[in-house]
Amino acid sequence: NAGVMQNPRHLVRRRGQEARLRCSPMKGHSHVYWYRQLPEEGLKFMVYLQKENIIDESGMPKERFSAEFPKEGPSILRIQQVVRGDSAAYFCASSPPVDQETQYFGPGTRLLVL
Amino acid sequence: GQNIDQPTEMTATEGAIVQINCTYQTSGFNGLFWYQQHAGEAPTFLSYNVLDGLEEKGRFSSFLSRSKGYSYLLLKELQMKDSASYLCAVLNTGGFKTIFGAGTRLFVKA
Repeated sequence: NAGVMQNPRHLVRRRGQEARLRCSPMKGHSHVYWYRQLPEEGLKFMVYLQKENIIDESGMPKERFSAEFPKEGPSILRIQQVVRGDSAAYFCASSPPVDQETQYFGPGTRLLVL
Repeated sequence: GQNIDQPTEMTATEGAIVQINCTYQTSGFNGLFWYQQHAGEAPTFLSYNVLDGLEEKGRFSSFLSRSKGYSYLLLKELQMKDSASYLCAVLNTGGFKTIFGAGTRLFVKA
């Protein structure tokens, strides 16, 4: 049973470009969470999704950021018109329908904006 | 507001015992997690406490007091590989929004 997969592991973008981060949850998991971690800081909750539904996006910046978890395929975190301050590690976690409390983290995508 | 406090750094000696404290003030509470995170890697689950008391799991134990808004992670027989950041996190009421502390960086020296 493969763990949570994220790709790419590293992403370099220039200011103004778009960044697309992908997350495939563990098999059987229907809940996906995205977190951002700045250097030397803790994880900050961004958004919680179930299949085709955004449940809580209270941690997501109102502009330039969006997330989806379609019926088929991975969850996508999309950042438009990236700025240097978006440079961070973005972690995805998933949890099963039952025992939702325990989240399993992916390896993260490290975004660097030049 | 939401606030989770834990020490920034701690240093301990191989073979010793270390206790990492965490205090929290959150608008809701549905359990407290401890995660371990090595540099450049994903957090890995260590423990989940929802009731008061001590839960022991091998060399690691976690304690919770809900009335005091306090938890600690106890690591025994420290090994060099235990050098990592330890993240305290509170699960909000509703069961899905997890608030993380900034983490405690533990350095284990020989």
